[in-house]
Parts: sequence; C-alpha cells; structure tokens
Amino acid sequence: EVQLMESGGVVVQPGGSLRLSCAASGFTFHDYTMHWVRQIPGKGLEWVSLITRDGSRTYYADSVKGRFTISRDNSKNSLYLQMNSLRTEDTALYYCARDKSSGSYHLDYWGQGALVTVSS
Amino acid sequence: NFILTQPHSVSESPGKTVTISCTRSSGSIASNYVQWYQQRPGSSPTTVIYEDNQRPSGVPDRFSGSIDSSSNSASLTISGLKTEDEADYYCQSYDSSNQVFGGGTKLTVL
Repeated sequence: EVQLMESGGVVVQPGGSLRLSCAASGFTFHDYTMHWVRQIPGKGLEWVSLITRDGSRTYYADSVKGRFTISRDNSKNSLYLQMNSLRTEDTALYYCARDKSSGSYHLDYWGQGALVTVSS
Repeated sequence: NFILTQPHSVSESPGKTVTISCTRSSGSIASNYVQWYQQRPGSSPTTVIYEDNQRPSGVPDRFSGSIDSSSNSASLTISGLKTEDEADYYCQSYDSSNQVFGGGTKLTVL
C-alpha cells in the first residue's frame, strides 16, 4: 500500500525557517517524481515544487522561488522541503504527492498534510 | 504562466447530471493533460479523472472527463449524482514543468 506521511509542521515566526519531511513507503521511491502542494485552510490547492526521480532537476512556483528548496534522499525514501524567509501567506497545509510519472503530471497519491503556521 | 478558471460552486439534485468546466487562459487546453481531483472535507485530494478522460480503478463510470478545444476548456461530468459526490473538485494541468490548479468548484448535491 502506497503511503506518504508528512511531518515537521509547526508554528514559526515570520522570517523563520522550517523543514518539512515526507516519508514514503509501499512503492519504489526512486522511480517517481515527487511534488509539494499546499492549501490554505478553506482555500484552494497551490502547487509549490517538484523534484525529479534522481533529484537532478527541481522546479518551483514563483511564490516560493528563492525561499524554498525541495530535496530528496532516495536511500531513506524521503522527500523534504526547506522553507526559509517564511511569510504569513505561507501558512497552509503542505501535502507531499507522488507523480505517476507517465508524463502527465498526474498526482496519484497524496499524504495527509503537515500544517505550517507562520505567525508572530 | 496560465490560469485555470472554474465556477466557484454548482448544485444539483441526486440522480441528475452536473458538468464542471475548467477554462485555460492561454495556451491550448489540448496541449497538456488535465487531471481532476475530488476533495471531501477534512481529506486529501484523490483523482477522479487523469489524462483528460481516464478513470482510476475504483472511480465509478458516472465520472467522465472531456476536452473542448473550441472553448479551450476541460469538463468533468458526473451523472446519476449521489450525496457522496458532494465535495470540492479541482482541475490541474501544466506548462513545461509549471503546474497549475484551478480555483476549485464546490459541488452541492441537494
């Protein structure tokens, strides 16, 4: 059974930093591109970032470019999101999601999310 | 970058058919696959349609997807509505490696 479990969500002050983790199981992690998607409570979905299977290529939404860094450790079946210079508008539930990796960017499995609150 | 525009909300009665649209602001809707996700309150999104019109296993055939190049839009159609279909629905597509979600449509089945 495919499982994705995010962790690391906390309350942090504006300007602070945080690293989210996503532990993957039930599939061959290094065969899949992975994504982070966020959702402000009560609002819509916003794509944040993706990383290719071997970690060689990463892409970011304009809203987080230069502040967030996606990475992965295939030996640990883990995905990460380093979040720096956090702003109040970064407050959201952060999901990690598996890309079916068929070229269509279909996100076929999602975690339960980690809540990040940026507040003073 | 482009925007995907969805109606904010739709409502329909059980047993009826509803269609949710997703209009791409620039670039051809047919150039990149469209996915549709269902999100029930308190739950993570799940796929109901991928690659324009494909249904994952376990999704009933009451759900169907289509593309209309003339209106540059994608559509999700749900027939034989059930109360359990009440949820938020999001379309998603991409351009190069930039991913875009629509703003979401709240479906009320009443």
